[in-house]
Amino acid sequence: QKEVEQDPGPLSVPEGAIVSLNCTYSNSAFQYFMWYRQYSRKGPELLMYTYSSGNKEDGRFTAQVDKSSKYISLFIRDSQPSDSATYLCATWGAGGTSYGKLTFGQGTILTVHP
Amino acid sequence: NAGVTQTPKFRILKIGQSMTLQCTQDMNHNYMYWYRQDPGMGLKLIYYSVGAGITDKGEVPNGYNVSRSTTEDFPLRLELAAPSQTSVYFCASREGGGAGEQFFGPGTRLTVL
Repeated sequence: QKEVEQDPGPLSVPEGAIVSLNCTYSNSAFQYFMWYRQYSRKGPELLMYTYSSGNKEDGRFTAQVDKSSKYISLFIRDSQPSDSATYLCATWGAGGTSYGKLTFGQGTILTVHP
Repeated sequence: NAGVTQTPKFRILKIGQSMTLQCTQDMNHNYMYWYRQDPGMGLKLIYYSVGAGITDKGEVPNGYNVSRSTTEDFPLRLELAAPSQTSVYFCASREGGGAGEQFFGPGTRLTVL
């Protein structure tokens, strides 16, 4: 079982749609949860970063973590063509073998068409 | 600041050849990482370093070697290239041991034929 599972998609939505991207993880030691965005032929860039269960909002983006079910979500409201990218969830653990290292999901390819 | 830079951008190798992928960061970060990214597979950690002179294996280290003689540089060495090493390679750095942001380079696209 992969430590972080993410549906690779691809996901295609019309402009203005609400997008939901999801990951599950298996290691209870993971304490920090991130979403990276990667445009085509570029390196990933940090989009959102959360620590505890609950929601964190930044403009059109909302990150949600449910530690009880080990579920991570990213919601994009009013999606734009410029949101077309690969979205990677990532987790970081504070102890044991996961310390100091990010574990990434497979990435979801998102296309927002005009 | 240039951030994390990688060279070369592209490379084609023949089976059995060797090469070094260069990575340099100018942010004075202690932690540096090498990942490979295959289609639909996310990022797999190859090696990482927590400071000059200290390196450790990640998830997929076989066929690779690293060194960290300075804070700025973290080269990745492929000794005997194999088709399975065809991938996009990303170098990343982070300031400290906490869950801070990792900054990625633009990647090196490597094809082994």
